[in-house]
Formats: sequence, structure tokens, C-alpha cells
Amino acid sequence: SQKIEQNSEALNIQEGKTATLTCNYTNYSPAYLQWYRQDPGRGPVFLLLIRENEKEKRKERLKVTFDTTLKQSLFHITASQPADSATYLCALAGYNFNKFYFGSGTKLNVKP
Amino acid sequence: DTGVSQNPRHKITKRGQNVTFRCDPISEHNRLYWYRQTLGQGPEFLTYFQNEAQLEKSRLLSDRFSAERPKGSFSTLEIQRTEQGDSAMYLCASSSSSGTGETQYFGPGTRLLVL
Repeated sequence: SQKIEQNSEALNIQEGKTATLTCNYTNYSPAYLQWYRQDPGRGPVFLLLIRENEKEKRKERLKVTFDTTLKQSLFHITASQPADSATYLCALAGYNFNKFYFGSGTKLNVKP
Repeated sequence: DTGVSQNPRHKITKRGQNVTFRCDPISEHNRLYWYRQTLGQGPEFLTYFQNEAQLEKSRLLSDRFSAERPKGSFSTLEIQRTEQGDSAMYLCASSSSSGTGETQYFGPGTRLLVL
């Protein structure tokens, strides 16, 4: 069965630096890979989607890369702010969006 | 667009009781998903509806779980004979198959505690 790995250890960085989060997967070939933000006690919030034929996607301070050969996605937040502190989840989906597989998330702490 | 709503927000029940949760998706969304999330884990897929049809159901879902979306609008998730292991946050999400259909909008969740 598919396996999605995100760094379970929290990532602590200083305000203004770039945060880089990793999502690795096995036993699956997703058509789409998404990144979500989740704050404590709340539902996830969609951030970005990247397709299997795309290498990179950007949105404001966010950048996602997708390497289907390595089976890995990297999620970057540039010029990080304390308000970016949250848990970030990656999710994989097939062409029909009938099912999403989520990683366990990485907690990001941005210190002022 | 009032977002996805879920009720109740919290539920405490005794082992063996039945519980039912409701999800109201964004009105024009035809896709609806249910997930379960435990502490420190990501959402675990339970089931998927397109309109009123249940098109996907997790093999991990026991027969005690059932979901409906009778008119393609709101959905209910019922857990029969609850067990302590059912304690979790139950999340509902909706999306549209047209336009930016790949964006899932999540509700605030229903937190279930089984004593």
C-alpha cells in the first residue's frame, strides 16, 4: 500500500529565513500532489496543487517542487513569519480525485 | 459561500452507543469526503461521494461505519456500537468537479470522545 512520509520532527527556524518541508512517497504514482496548512483544532486549509507533469509551482511566498522520479515534493516558504507557524500536510490524489492520501504532517515553528 | 459546516462540533458518548455526524458542504460542490484524524496524524480517508453516489470507501472502514448523502447536498456519517478506538476528529471536505475542482475545503470537524 502507499506510504507518505513527512518529517515528524518539528522544524524550528528564525523569522525571515526560508522553511523547506519534505514529502516522500512510495508505492503510488499520484496525478496530483497538494499541500495544506493545519492550525490546532481546525480543519486543513488548501495551499497549493502541483500536477505530475509540473516541476515547480509558485504562489506568493510559497513554492512547491515535484520530482516523480525521486517520488518527492519540497515545499518552501520564503521570508517566513511567526504567523506561518502551523502543521503542513502533503496529500496525494489520482486523476479522478476519488481519494486523497495524507502524510502525517510537519510542524513548523517560526521564531521572531 | 458560508464554507463547510459540521455538527455537532463535539460529541462525548459511551462505548456501545451509536453516533451520527452531519456535514453541510459548500452549496455548489458536488464532491464530498469524510476523513478521520487522530492526534499527530494526517487525515485518513474514509469515504467519497459524487453527488448522491458513494463512489469510494476505505477498506479500513469497518461495517460499523456508514455514510449517506441522500439528495447530493448534506451528508451524514454514522458509527454504530462505538469503541474507544473510534475517538478522533472526523472531518468533512467538499469540492467541485468543475473549475478549480482539485481544491478541497474542509469543515471544522467533529471531535468524538468514546468513554
